Amino acid sequence: GAGVSQTPSNKVTEKGKYVELRCDPISGHTALYWYRQSLGQGPEFLIYFQGTGAADDSGLPNDRFFAVRPEGSVSTLKIQRTERGDSAMYLCASSLTSGDNEQFFGPGTRLTVL
Amino acid sequence: DQQVKQNSPSLSVQEGRISILNCDYTNSMFDYFLWYKKYPAEGPTFLISISSIKDKNEDGRFTVFLNKSAKHLSLHIVPSQPGDSAVYFCAADHPSGSARQLTFGSGTQLTVLP
Repeated sequence: GAGVSQTPSNKVTEKGKYVELRCDPISGHTALYWYRQSLGQGPEFLIYFQGTGAADDSGLPNDRFFAVRPEGSVSTLKIQRTERGDSAMYLCASSLTSGDNEQFFGPGTRLTVL
Repeated sequence: DQQVKQNSPSLSVQEGRISILNCDYTNSMFDYFLWYKKYPAEGPTFLISISSIKDKNEDGRFTVFLNKSAKHLSLHIVPSQPGDSAVYFCAADHPSGSARQLTFGSGTQLTVLP
């Protein structure tokens, strides 16, 4: 079956612009996670969804970042007034249930803010 | 405060020899540990895991060892193959509310020389 997909694969934007990053999890996976990976670092947790609700958004760096998952499947990470420091690889992962240890990752979206 | 540390950013090993990748952690609440492998332009893929109630888990050429008293784990790959060349991330998992949240190390680039 299909794995986790993310679009776009690359996004270049200008400082101050708004961007949306999309994640399509594995079919039937109820838990969805967003991570951010900066160069030379491991992925850092941003937010977790169980179904449609954001169960834990403690990793979001500030209120410019927001994510939704309106139908419990596809999720969109939204970044307002982008800053150069937002440049990173944004990774999405899903797991069958929230109690599962193994998370399956998508290929990521490389965001570059000029 | 880095709770999961991989102190070796890179490791080179000859094909057929053993690769040993190390990881240290500080949070005693971690109860599950995972290793992910990442190729360029792809998301991390799950490799092997170990529960904190065990000290060893083996899967083919891959073995993970856990030393809880030292808060240290290692991944052994034997024999190493050129296709094993990738970035390896150690991740630690603990229950956070209803979810499980992964904390990653910064990764080790393994190069297996033919």
